[in-house]
Amino acid sequence: AQTVTQSQPEMSVQEAETVTLSCTYDTSESDYYLFWYKQPPSRQMILVIRQEAYKQQNATENRFSVNFQKAAKSFSLKISDSQLGDAAMYFCAYRSVYGANSKLTFGKGITLSVRP
Amino acid sequence: DVKVTQSSRYLVKRTGEKVFLECVQDMDHENMFWYRQDPGLGLRLIYFSYDVKMKEKGDIPEGYSVSREKKERFSLILESASTNQTSMYLCASSLLGRQGVNGYTFGSGTRLTVV
Repeated sequence: AQTVTQSQPEMSVQEAETVTLSCTYDTSESDYYLFWYKQPPSRQMILVIRQEAYKQQNATENRFSVNFQKAAKSFSLKISDSQLGDAAMYFCAYRSVYGANSKLTFGKGITLSVRP
Repeated sequence: DVKVTQSSRYLVKRTGEKVFLECVQDMDHENMFWYRQDPGLGLRLIYFSYDVKMKEKGDIPEGYSVSREKKERFSLILESASTNQTSMYLCASSLLGRQGVNGYTFGSGTRLTVV
């Protein structure tokens, strides 16, 4: 079974600075998807960014980018120019491409605070 | 705007009550999921369904059941609510296989308190 580990429960960043959130995973599969989700105090889970394992290029979405190291099974999220609205809980997640059910396996999450 | 709608945002129930949590999606997604979210434990899968009347157990199915009579609706049932089922419950849906490359669409959650 796949596992996802987020070892840091909390992080803090100064507004306008850069922060990196860590995530590692374990799988025997070669093709899969990785995601970062954001959950603000409103509780609505929002997809931040996704990475397809067969693509070597790291995904980027505006101020959000990932460092995907397939051999090391590492998938970190970098947030540049941090804003107050980035304060939230962030979850790393894994999904297999095989099989019909497409269920996500989540890490335990990290709470990010942004200091003004 | 496509969405997943959970019927209640907050719910307070008594121990031993039968509790229904309802989830409806309007995206014609095949997959639907129920997770519970607890501090320090992340999101844990309770049940999921990939088709009408089909269901599969997730990681923590004990004390729960589900129903999917129509494609758009997936209900989570607590047969006899207990205090250890006090939690946040999140519903989600997705397309099958590689069509689900964008992951899930989530509801806004139901915070259930069992007293």
